Amino acid sequence: AAGVIQSPRHLIKEKRETATLKCYPIPRHDTVYWYQQGPGQDPQFLISFYEKMQSDKGSIPDRFSAQQFSDYHSELNMSSLELGDSALYFCASSFRTGGNEKLFFGSGTQLSVL
Amino acid sequence: GENVEQHPSTLSVQEGDSAVIKCTYSDSASNYFPWYKQELGKGPQLIIDIRSNVGEKKDQRIAVTLNKTAKHFSLHITETQPEDSAVYFCAASYSGGGADGLTFGKGTHLIIQP
Repeated sequence: AAGVIQSPRHLIKEKRETATLKCYPIPRHDTVYWYQQGPGQDPQFLISFYEKMQSDKGSIPDRFSAQQFSDYHSELNMSSLELGDSALYFCASSFRTGGNEKLFFGSGTQLSVL
Repeated sequence: GENVEQHPSTLSVQEGDSAVIKCTYSDSASNYFPWYKQELGKGPQLIIDIRSNVGEKKDQRIAVTLNKTAKHFSLHITETQPEDSAVYFCAASYSGGGADGLTFGKGTHLIIQP
């Protein structure tokens, strides 16, 4: 079965640079979630989108923005990168319209800020 | 907001024995409680979930119990096998027809000793 696809798998950036992470949800899923996971930490919710509209907002810094496109894929844009932004970034998707709460996660993007 | 406490942080059991991981949550409105298994370098994988209108759910060697009054829920793994070694996260959310951001526990590193 198709899973959540994230790209790139690894990303290395310098401080103050920008980064864009991409997420392709499971086909027919209408909701996308972004999470940040530091080393040895639990995933922290950043933001979610339902039917291309922002649905919920967590601990996302103002330097970050995200959107969901007409084909339901999502992009997380990160500007003025800081060393502390180094983490695993996960995207998850669900089929909210179908009343299904189950979130399925991608394999993540490992971001390293040098 | 929701706060999820998870214990223990590390659990070592002999192969074939049972493992129990416990979580508590703070928000009585939470009604959806999934458990995720995360292996090194991979995204969290949903292994079982339970809704607040159910007290127990079982899937082969894995079971989850929920005490809504006490705001406790637990993961039980029987006949543990080496491939069960991973980090397990509990989570909670309010699901009014669809999940917004899950709040995760801090994780339990389960080690299966051969």
